[in-house]
Amino acid sequence: DAGITQSPRYKITETGRQVTLMCHQTWSHSYMFWYRQDLGHGLRLIYYSAAADITDKGEVPDGYVVSRSKTENFPLTLESATRSQTSVYFCASSEPRGLVATYNEQFFGPGTRLTVL
Amino acid sequence: RKEVEQDPGPFNVPEGATVAFNCTYSNSASQSFFWYRQDCRKEPKLLMSVYSSGNEDGRFTAQLNRASQYISLLIRDSKLSDSATYLCVVNVIYNFNKFYFGSGTKLNVKP
Repeated sequence: DAGITQSPRYKITETGRQVTLMCHQTWSHSYMFWYRQDLGHGLRLIYYSAAADITDKGEVPDGYVVSRSKTENFPLTLESATRSQTSVYFCASSEPRGLVATYNEQFFGPGTRLTVL
Repeated sequence: RKEVEQDPGPFNVPEGATVAFNCTYSNSASQSFFWYRQDCRKEPKLLMSVYSSGNEDGRFTAQLNRASQYISLLIRDSKLSDSATYLCVVNVIYNFNKFYFGSGTKLNVKP
């Protein structure tokens, strides 16, 4: 049971380069999310998706692009990386179920540590 | 005002102690509630969901007070391995299924 995976786990890139972070889940969850976590800021939502081909901005979307052509994949692209995008990026998924979505846990991938030089 | 507020700590406690964390949330339409554990910038892992009736899992007890918009986590008989950051998480299914995270409470259990 692979669950939710992210690749690469570590990435060093240079300012101005395009970088794509991959996220794959095997549960067929409808919802997928991208967060970044910086020291002193906690988790901040970048983008989320309710289903294939349905995506929307979160709290900090500037400089990022997402797509979701298949339910299981949710790649995050940094169009032109900046040093301020150095962070740990977490992908997550959830599938609401039960009466009024009582059961709606969110499961996280292991994260990608991105350094922009 | 933040959607979810937690005391950042750190809480420094000896092994065997009982420790309690509290969390408040601002959106009365919140539907689901959770405690997650995060170790040293690894991925957050679900510790337990929090139900209106309260729930217990071994040494961990979670309570929800919807009227006061307040969630708590009680850890009994603390172990060294409980040292981590505990995140309070609130879900608003009607707001595009968004999850709102507290900034976390750091727990250090000392020998």
